[in-house]
Amino acid sequence: EVHLLESGGDLVQPGGSLRLSCAASGFTFSNYAMSWVRQSPGKGLEWVSSITGIGGRTFFTDSEKGRFTISRDNSKNTLYLQMNRLRADDTAVYYCAKYSDSSGHSNFDSWGQGTLVTVSS
Amino acid sequence: EIVMTQSPVTLSVSPGGRAALSCRASQSVGSNLAWYQQKPGQAPRLLIYGASTRATGVPARFSGSGSGAEFTLTISSLQSEDFAVYYCQQYDIWPPLTFGGGTKVEIK
Repeated sequence: EVHLLESGGDLVQPGGSLRLSCAASGFTFSNYAMSWVRQSPGKGLEWVSSITGIGGRTFFTDSEKGRFTISRDNSKNTLYLQMNRLRADDTAVYYCAKYSDSSGHSNFDSWGQGTLVTVSS
Repeated sequence: EIVMTQSPVTLSVSPGGRAALSCRASQSVGSNLAWYQQKPGQAPRLLIYGASTRATGVPARFSGSGSGAEFTLTISSLQSEDFAVYYCQQYDIWPPLTFGGGTKVEIK
């Protein structure tokens, strides 16, 4: 059974940094693209970033490019999101999501339970 | 960027009733569309991918249809556990991956 467990969410001041982690189990991690999707309080789902399986090609939204970095450690079955220069509008639950293939040109078939990031002074 | 528009925003349905949720893309996404269900305090759950294929374990009362830019998720006989928010998502042309704003299915 696929299991995704996010961690690292916290209260951080505007301009601060945070690194989220997602520990994966139940599947061959390196064979699948992975993604971060966030949900602001009371709002809908918003894609943040993705990384392919082998090769680790990365993709971001324009608003996160330069501030966020996605990476993966296939030896540890772990996905990361390094977030810098955080703003109040980054406040959200951040979900780790698994694609159904390696390239990322597919749906998400599994999601973690999410980790809350709050940006506030 | 492909914009996904869902309607209605809220749908009131009686238990046992039928619900039809609409999702429209700003341009064709072929059949590269998924539907997710989200209950309060929970992560989204995949229901439908490829516009019409049910994910593993999804009851047959959920069906997806459409292609190109117009899609529908139909729930044929609503059970109590089906009252939730439903999101569509296109994965044809990205970045960015885009989701619809969601349709909340509530008890009438």
